[in-house]
Amino acid sequence: GESVGLHLPTLSVQEGDNSIINCAYSNSASDYFIWYKQESGKGPQFIIDIRSNMDKRQGQRVTVLLNKTVKHLSLQIAATQPGDSAVYFCAENDPSGTYKYIFGTGTRLKVLA
Amino acid sequence: DVKVTQSSRYLVKRTGEKVFLECVQDMDHENMFWYRQDPGLGLRLIYFSYDVKMKEKGDIPEGYSVSREKKERFSLILESASTNQTSMYLCASSFSAGPGTQYFGPGTRLLVL
Repeated sequence: GESVGLHLPTLSVQEGDNSIINCAYSNSASDYFIWYKQESGKGPQFIIDIRSNMDKRQGQRVTVLLNKTVKHLSLQIAATQPGDSAVYFCAENDPSGTYKYIFGTGTRLKVLA
Repeated sequence: DVKVTQSSRYLVKRTGEKVFLECVQDMDHENMFWYRQDPGLGLRLIYFSYDVKMKEKGDIPEGYSVSREKKERFSLILESASTNQTSMYLCASSFSAGPGTQYFGPGTRLLVL
């Protein structure tokens, strides 16, 4: 299949276990963050977002944690399933431009049966 | 659900050809974006548009132009394709004037020979 990144860091997780994917963002003035999932050959799909006035936000099986002190974002996936296998990347809004975002290069999640 | 569609999933063109990539969104979004995605790099913004007939350069506009004649449609044009424009091209749209979720199309994988 197609690959969005040939040398991405890879996280291998046993099916049913929890996954934690990390992202360091660059700008302390960024105030909006998004996690995307990208399956092979497809466009990125929105998973969850968080604004800087929050530390944690939960969705269905996913939780995003924001640590502004160290400019760190994490995505936790509970009870990881084979369908979760994909590349995950974070995005932060670029404070210098209203419509612009800075995207991370991503982490490949492999779910082992 | 938001739907962003792109005219082609795969394209093969020759150096020097003019290439049109079209994107259509059905959610009445004001903002539309064109990115390219290359292995080992995050998404890079080529151009964006915040209204009909309005456009602004992104981070890597050289060799590209865009057209937005209708709100739902945003076209990316490669006036004279070159081999270094071989890439995955992703279109996105968003509603919010400020930071807001971007919804992506499935991507067009362009190969320039």
